[in-house]
Amino acid sequence: DAGITQSPRYKITETGRQVTLMCHQTWSHSYMFWYRQDLGHGLRLIYYSAAADITDKGEVPDGYVVSRSKTENFPLTLESATRSQTSVYFCASRGQGGTEAFFGQGTRLTVV
Amino acid sequence: DQQVKQNSPSLSVQEGRISILNCDYTNSMFDYFLWYKKYPAEGPTFLISISSIKDKNEDGRFTVFLNKSAKHLSLHIVPSQPGDSAVYFCAAGTYKYIFGTGTRLKVLA
Repeated sequence: DAGITQSPRYKITETGRQVTLMCHQTWSHSYMFWYRQDLGHGLRLIYYSAAADITDKGEVPDGYVVSRSKTENFPLTLESATRSQTSVYFCASRGQGGTEAFFGQGTRLTVV
Repeated sequence: DQQVKQNSPSLSVQEGRISILNCDYTNSMFDYFLWYKKYPAEGPTFLISISSIKDKNEDGRFTVFLNKSAKHLSLHIVPSQPGDSAVYFCAAGTYKYIFGTGTRLKVLA
């Protein structure tokens, strides 16, 4: 299917475990982003990528790792999950010459 | 320090009237400003944007105004409809976007 998809949609994990959230887009967009949404904080940028193998920190990068070996994929890894990382995570992508960023449907992560 | 602020957490408007959502920013280097709409359990969807070189952009019922000297933008929805009830986020940036905390709009029938 064309567009941007995230998996899984829902995930429950235990404190200290490693978990990876997947993001895949079919537009060959250069830019990809990871945001988390929390009550009272809106959407906060975790990491972003301008192209394959180019990533940079956003507003709240601590505790997260990203990679981008292929243009279409931008996985987000929580190396050792903490309860404070319970959130809804959104992936987005944007074309090089475009303004609009397109969002995935989100992954609701609960760390117990 | 938050670079993009939406100071009104919620707003209620009667159907048919104008909704005005506000957003303030601190970084004068931002090139683009966007508004997104979000329904529960869905990803944000793009509504309208404006470049820093413009002061107004209109798309149907939606108009965005940019006041660079005040570092302020607003979204006007006229007329408001019950289906407009959602959370609205403003965003600003150049190649990466910083979002505000959102305003929950409720349009009353």
